Amino acid sequence: ETGVTQTPRHLVMGMTNKKSLKCEQHLGHNAMYWYKQSAKKPLELMFVYNFKEQTENNSVPSRFSPECPNSSHLFLHLHTLQPEDSALYLCASSQDRLAYEQYFGPGTRLTVT
Amino acid sequence: GDSVTQMEGPVTLSEEAFLTINCTYTATGYPSLFWYVQYPGEGLQLLLKATKADDKGSNKGFEATYRKETTSFHLEKGSVQVSDSAVYFCALSRDTGTASKLTFGTGTRLQVTL
Repeated sequence: ETGVTQTPRHLVMGMTNKKSLKCEQHLGHNAMYWYKQSAKKPLELMFVYNFKEQTENNSVPSRFSPECPNSSHLFLHLHTLQPEDSALYLCASSQDRLAYEQYFGPGTRLTVT
Repeated sequence: GDSVTQMEGPVTLSEEAFLTINCTYTATGYPSLFWYVQYPGEGLQLLLKATKADDKGSNKGFEATYRKETTSFHLEKGSVQVSDSAVYFCALSRDTGTASKLTFGTGTRLQVTL
C-alpha cells in the first residue's frame, strides 16, 4: 500500500449506530487531518494531530470523536449522528503540522439515515 | 479570516479547448497557493503550487501564476483532454506560527467532451 488509505470507502448508518472510520498513511508523515467535504461548500477542517497529539479541534460536535494511536493511523469514531452529517470524510497527512503540502486519501462516503 | 473564491461551475469544454479557472484569495501575510484536483471517486491530489509572488506553478500542462497585486492564482491549460474532467480546488496555506493551515475554495467542476 502506498500513500493514504481510508476504510471503508462507503458507509450507511442509522442515527443510533456507532461506527468508525479508519485512515492509514504510508508516507512516514507526522501530522494527520480529518476534513469534511459537503456539496457546494469548502472543505472543512475538523481535527489535526501532530506526533499523535491533537493540536486542533474546529468546534466539531462531540458525536465525532477522533483517535490517533500512532503517527500512521487515525480514526474517527461516530455515534448518534444526524442526517446533515452525511458527507465525504477525507483524511490527509503531511510531514508535520508546519508543512503546507498535504496528501489526501480517497475518502469515506458517509450516509446517515 | 482567510478565504478563497473560485468561479462556479460546471465548466464545460470541448477537447483541445483552452481552460481558465479563476481563483482569488484574501489572506494576511504571505500565503502559499495551490491547486488540487479531485477525480471521480478519489481524494484530492496536489496539482501545482506557488510559494511566493510571481512564482509560476506548473504540472501536466496546467499552469498558474501567483499574482500578489491582484490576489489571484488562475489555473490555465492550453488544450484540455477528456481525462482532465474533475473538480479543481484552489487553496492557500498560511503559517500561523504554530501550524500551517490550508483554506480551500468550493471547487470548480470541469467537464471535457469529445
